[in-house]
Amino acid sequence: AQTVTQSQPEMSVQEAETVTLSCTYDTSESDYYLFWYKQPPSRQMILVIRQEAYKQQNATENRFSVNFQKAAKSFSLKISDSQLGDAAMYFCAYRIRTQGGSEKLVFGKGMKLTVNP
Amino acid sequence: NAGVTQTPKFQVLKTGQSMTLQCAQDMNHEYMSWYRQDPGMGLRLIHYSVGAGITDQGEVPNGYNVSRSTTEDFPLRLLSAAPSQTSVYFCASSRRTGVSTDTQYFGPGTRLTVL
Repeated sequence: AQTVTQSQPEMSVQEAETVTLSCTYDTSESDYYLFWYKQPPSRQMILVIRQEAYKQQNATENRFSVNFQKAAKSFSLKISDSQLGDAAMYFCAYRIRTQGGSEKLVFGKGMKLTVNP
Repeated sequence: NAGVTQTPKFQVLKTGQSMTLQCAQDMNHEYMSWYRQDPGMGLRLIHYSVGAGITDQGEVPNGYNVSRSTTEDFPLRLLSAAPSQTSVYFCASSRRTGVSTDTQYFGPGTRLTVL
């Protein structure tokens, strides 16, 4: 079964500090994509960062970066210089191909990040 | 460019009622999908469409119908609402790139309560 596991349901970080969110996944495919989505209280799902499995270089988007360990099937998100606006639910997701030939996202259960001033 | 829009934002139904959740995108994306989000469950795929006139079932399709008559619109119909369908519903769209799809973009969600 294709699964995405976020083992920590909640984390907190002090403003301006760094926090790392963990994610592991299970797949037998060699070519796939991994994503981190942020969901603030507004409920909007916002793409934070994406990683292609065939790329060895870790993706970076401003204060957000990933540590992609393909052999270990690990995909953690590092948030540097945390800001109050980073407080949200964070979802790790993995894109798989369905039997019908299309694709879908498989989501982890999410992790609530609190940023303390 | 409004992105992905969903209406209504909130809805309360009685058991057995029917309704349609609307989803539209103005990015000319071929791929559209519906997810439901339940507490502690993450998002689960209900139905998806790879283009106008083509739809298929996702992980949890029972109790829902979809159609895709245009590229822009992908409505989700609840034929006979049940309390188990109380959830937050998200529509998403993405561009197709050959046999793959690009990053999915989500609408703001619809919170549905079935009494």
